Order: sequence, then C-alpha cells, then structure tokens
Amino acid sequence: DAGVIQSPRHEVTEMGQEVTLRCKPISGHDYLFWYRQTMMRGLELLIYFNNNVPIDDSGMPEDRFSAKMPNASFSTLKIQPSEPRDSAVYFCASSLAWRDRGANVLTFGAGSRLTVL
Amino acid sequence: GQNIDQPTEMTATEGAIVQINCTYQTSGFNGLFWYQQHAGEAPTFLSYNVLDGLEEKGRFSSFLSRSKGYSYLLLKELQMKDSASYLCAVRVSTGGGNKLTFGTGTQLKVEL
Repeated sequence: DAGVIQSPRHEVTEMGQEVTLRCKPISGHDYLFWYRQTMMRGLELLIYFNNNVPIDDSGMPEDRFSAKMPNASFSTLKIQPSEPRDSAVYFCASSLAWRDRGANVLTFGAGSRLTVL
Repeated sequence: GQNIDQPTEMTATEGAIVQINCTYQTSGFNGLFWYQQHAGEAPTFLSYNVLDGLEEKGRFSSFLSRSKGYSYLLLKELQMKDSASYLCAVRVSTGGGNKLTFGTGTQLKVEL
C-alpha cells in the first residue's frame, strides 16, 4: 500500500488567497483525520470523518476552514481566505474502525507545509 | 477538554536508558498511545496501553496508570537514531466516536 498520500507537500501563498489541501487515505480505512502542527501548539486535531461523514469538527479554528470527504478515497481541507497565522504543517491520517480497547493505529501522511505570507 | 503534559526537552547518552513521562487529565479515557516523530517527518506509532501495566516491545516499553493519569515511555540501549520528538496521545470516547489528542511532545536528543 502507498500509505496516506497528501498534496501539495509544500505551498507558499499570499494572505487572502484560497488554499486547498488534499488527502488520499489508505484503502479500506474507515476513519480520516486532519491535524495541524505548529511549534507553539503542537499537533491539534481539526476534524475527523467516519465513513465519509464528519463526526467532530470542534477543532476547526473558524469559518475560514472547511473540510469535505466526498468519497472514501479523497478528502480536502480548504482555507479561505488564508492568513499568516495559518502557517503550519497540516497532516492527514487514517485508521481502521475503532474497536473497543483496540489499538487502532493512526497512519499519517507526509504532511503539507503551508506558508502564508 | 483534555490536558496532556510532558517535558519539552530531554538529553541522554548513547547506550543509556531514558524515561519520558506523560500526565493527562481527561474524561472518557479509552487508551494511551506513544508516537515518534523525526524532524520534518510524520509521526509514527510506537506503543499503546489501555490497561494498567507495562507493555514491552523490543527496546521500547510503555507504562500506564489510569488511576494516576500517568504514563511513561522507556527507551533502552539508546541509539543516535532515537533522537526525535516523542508524542503522548490520549484517545477519548466522544458522543460521535473516538478521537486522539496529542501532547506537545518531548524532544529527545541522544549524545555520544
């Protein structure tokens, strides 16, 4: 398996522009997570999906952020308009269905490093 | 919400043993994970505890005490390649499912 695939790996944009990050989870995984990592705040959960349905988006910073999962093999995280404080590494991760007390491991993509000038 | 605390940095010597502690306060606890993250790379899974006690996996062991909200990761026979950030993560049950919340990580530097 190719693992979790994210694109782009790096993006530099100007404040006010729209940014779209993409993720292809591991085939057969039921859960998809979007995390953001910064030096100050560490790895923060933004939103997660179960079988393409958003379950918890309480970590989404504000209305400028939106995420979709139109099918089992594709998800997007969109920022519109982008701001300098959005600069971070955005990770997508996927896992099999959570089994009670089971070690359902998250597999992370390589991340998308976003710089907003 | 969840509070997860771990030291920011640690330094240890090659060949030695190091223990990285993690304390947490949360409701709906449903497991504790340790991940390793090398600079510029994605986090990778190391270990998992859901019941009290010690889980051993080669040079790495992880301990959990649910009553104390405490875990540690033990690394033995340290190697230079173990220099990385070690992330403690707590899984909690929520109304809609389970989610994994990470601490800010402990940056471990292994020296000669």
